[in-house]
Amino acid sequence: DVKVTQSSRYLVKRTGEKVFLECVQDMDHENMFWYRQDPGLGLRLIYFSYDVKMKEKGDIPEGYSVSREKKERFSLILESASTNQTSMYLCASTTGDFYNSPLHFGNGTRLTVT
Amino acid sequence: AQSVTQLGSHVSVSEGALVLLRCNYSSSVPPYLFWYVQYPNQGLQLLLKYTSAATLVKGINGFEAEFKKSETSFHLTKPSAHMSDAAEYFCAVTRTSGTYKYIFGTGTRLKVLA
Repeated sequence: DVKVTQSSRYLVKRTGEKVFLECVQDMDHENMFWYRQDPGLGLRLIYFSYDVKMKEKGDIPEGYSVSREKKERFSLILESASTNQTSMYLCASTTGDFYNSPLHFGNGTRLTVT
Repeated sequence: AQSVTQLGSHVSVSEGALVLLRCNYSSSVPPYLFWYVQYPNQGLQLLLKYTSAATLVKGINGFEAEFKKSETSFHLTKPSAHMSDAAEYFCAVTRTSGTYKYIFGTGTRLKVLA
């Protein structure tokens, strides 16, 4: 069974801090994603990566960056955290044929920026 | 451009009653469609997917969904609700070619009343 592990379930950070959210998958998936989930807005794609060192912007990339140095690990970076980045962050992965392959999600990281 | 609309952000049903969660999509090409479920404090997990093989798709936990092209709908149903079905449900659509795009609806929170 695919396992996607997010390093933290809850994080509390201060405004202006640099924040790293880590995600690791164990099924050799080519594609990895970072979503943000907010009530009433559903899931919004921040960034995705289809290969090591490759990345594509999603719908809401502003204020975020990503890093994928190894196939199994995809990191989301908040360069300077702001209160409007308080949210649930979900990492997901899927195989190379991403059009009809389901996403496998981690349990999420709930980030609070004060 | 693709889009997904879920009617009703909150749905309540009695235990044993029919569950009907609505999803309508907009797509200029035949889509792939998915339903995901999110239990409290967890990530999303796949319930079922439509990839054009059959219009009636059966998923896990007794759920099924019917693809109706004429109505551009992919509603999720379950004949008899169980308390354990209380969760948030997301409909999603992907393109079948071109630029990757995995679009989620805003979610429907299902409450099951004893």
